[in-house]
Amino acid sequence: KNQVEQSPQSLIILEGKNCTLQCNYTVSPFSNLRWYKQDTGRGPVSLTIMTFSENTKSNGRYTATLDADTKQSSLHITASQLSDSASYICVVSLGGDKLIFGTGTRLQVFP
Amino acid sequence: DAGVTQSPTHLIKTRGQHVTLRCSPISGHKSVSWYQQVLGQGPQFIFQYYEKEERGRGNFPDRFSARQFPNYSSELNVNALLLGDSALYLCASSYGSSGNTIYFGEGSWLTVV
Repeated sequence: KNQVEQSPQSLIILEGKNCTLQCNYTVSPFSNLRWYKQDTGRGPVSLTIMTFSENTKSNGRYTATLDADTKQSSLHITASQLSDSASYICVVSLGGDKLIFGTGTRLQVFP
Repeated sequence: DAGVTQSPTHLIKTRGQHVTLRCSPISGHKSVSWYQQVLGQGPQFIFQYYEKEERGRGNFPDRFSARQFPNYSSELNVNALLLGDSALYLCASSYGSSGNTIYFGEGSWLTVV
């Protein structure tokens, strides 16, 4: 069964701190892995896309890593800001736009 | 440049009714896909259309159908609504059929009572 699991489910950090979110997947066939940010009640916004040959991809303060052998990915957020408060969703593509979404990590950044 | 636009933003229907949700992709994008997001869960893939042809279908009953028009806009239709169909319905567009950045709209909130 295609599954994408994320941890932790929720996380609270202080503004300015770093954090790392984890994603494990059992998806086949694997096309690419994406991280999205979703504010409550809004559509997801793409942060990064990585194919199996890419180990790391950065987008500003967001850095994603991928280990295709262990089927693990992480999203590292540096120098967190209050606006980073959102759900972060790990998404694996089977090909086409058929995406398997994880349940997300809810991040809250406090001043 | 306008992003992915969806309408209506919110609607309430009663059980057994039919609903049509609409989506306009980003200009130049030929692929449109639909997702259902139940509160507290991640989105679930429903359909993908590319160049007006169905390219993928998720595990949803036949009550769900969709189509893509020559201008690449799309409609999602749901018949015989059930309470469990209450969700945020997200439309996403991308330029090609695979491997491109996928842009999501803000969604249509459907409540079935």
